[in-house]
Order: sequence, then structure tokens, then C-alpha cells
Amino acid sequence: DSGVTQTPKHLITATGQRVTLRCSPRSGDLSVYWYQQSLDQGLQFLIQYYNGEERAKGNILERFSAQQFPDLHSELNLSSLELGDSALYFCASSQTPFRREYNEQFFGPGTRLTVL
Amino acid sequence: GENVEQHPSTLSVQEGDSAVIKCTYSDSASNYFPWYKQELGKRPQLIIDIRSNVGEKKDQRIAVTLNKTAKHFSLHITETQPEDSAVYFCAAPRGYSGGGADGLTFGKGTHLIIQP
Repeated sequence: DSGVTQTPKHLITATGQRVTLRCSPRSGDLSVYWYQQSLDQGLQFLIQYYNGEERAKGNILERFSAQQFPDLHSELNLSSLELGDSALYFCASSQTPFRREYNEQFFGPGTRLTVL
Repeated sequence: GENVEQHPSTLSVQEGDSAVIKCTYSDSASNYFPWYKQELGKRPQLIIDIRSNVGEKKDQRIAVTLNKTAKHFSLHITETQPEDSAVYFCAAPRGYSGGGADGLTFGKGTHLIIQP
């Protein structure tokens, strides 16, 4: 158990719908990262939040958005869903990133999204 | 941004033999190289990482080597066991935003199969 929790485990929805994925980081971690894992694209970085503020954006679609709340949990919102959005969505957390130092990213169990 | 290439995509070895997985990266400023192991349906778990100030790091049967000049790093697993069967991902820093480190760029993964 990494200490990172994600809900729900599984989500099945229809095209055009909107869903929200939730992540709680490890105790004390201020940074939250979202990743998408699919068979064709592999594991891709979507977005990072640090202490409530957006820090970096990766390959995140405009239909997707995220936020980090004062209690440090984060939500990833996916709207106007398409079949191609079906994937595993992972949240990871790490200690404070500063300067050019990296700390280990701990991954949550993931949310499997199926769009029908 | 960073680009990470990983080879081979599938590796089958006899139990007890060694396995080597190789990755190359493009950004010479990258300074942190983690390796993750992912079992089917599970979260990626860090197994070893290396920073650019060292050339090799070992942890029991696992070792990682780094060649900064050639911009490649490798994972070595000795005395392989059935529980080593999984998908292994290498990664490198995607970049640095606002003075701090952000997400990881992952290789496409290597499916390691340990034959009994």
C-alpha cells in the first residue's frame, strides 16, 4: 500500500458524459500528479498540482481539468467523454519538489474508466 | 521535452538467468532516472532509481547503470525468479516548471517473462 488512495476503482459510463476521479495523497505530500495509462499511448503525464496550485501540464486534453483542494486531495474531471478516453487513470504524490530535485512518486491503485 | 525510448518491448528469460532492459533519454539536463514495476492490474511501484551524480546503484538482485555521455540507463535483474514477471517502465523527468520538478516521461514498458 503506497498511502495514496483513489476512488472509484472502476467507472463505466457512456460517451458524452462527465466523470470525476478523486485522489488523496500520502500524508505530508504536497504534490499530486495525474497520469493516464492506455494500451496505445502507454503511461502519460497529464497534470501536476502543488499545494493547491497548478504546477505543470502535460498531454492533457482541453476536455479534462483538475484541481487540488485545501486538504490536498485532488480531483480530475473528464467531460464530453469519448471511447478513446477509456484507460487507467493514476494519481501519484510526492514530497515537495524544489529546484531541480526529484523525489519518489508514489502511485495510487488507479481508476479504470470504461466509456461505452 | 524529454523523450524516453525503452527496449526490448518483451523479454523472456529462464528462471535463474539475468535480464537487462535498456532506456535512452534525450534531455542532457535530466538528473533522475527511476524504474517502476507494474503487475497486471496493479499500480506502478518504484523498484530502484538513480541520480546523475552516480554511475551505478544496486539493491540486492537489482541494479541500475547510467551512462550520461551516451544518455542511456539500464536495469539489471540477476537470478530471476517467477515473481519478477511483470511490466517494467523506465522514466526520466519531463521537465521543470516554475523552478521545480514536474511529471515523469515514461518508456513504453518491457514485459518481462520468467520461464520456469
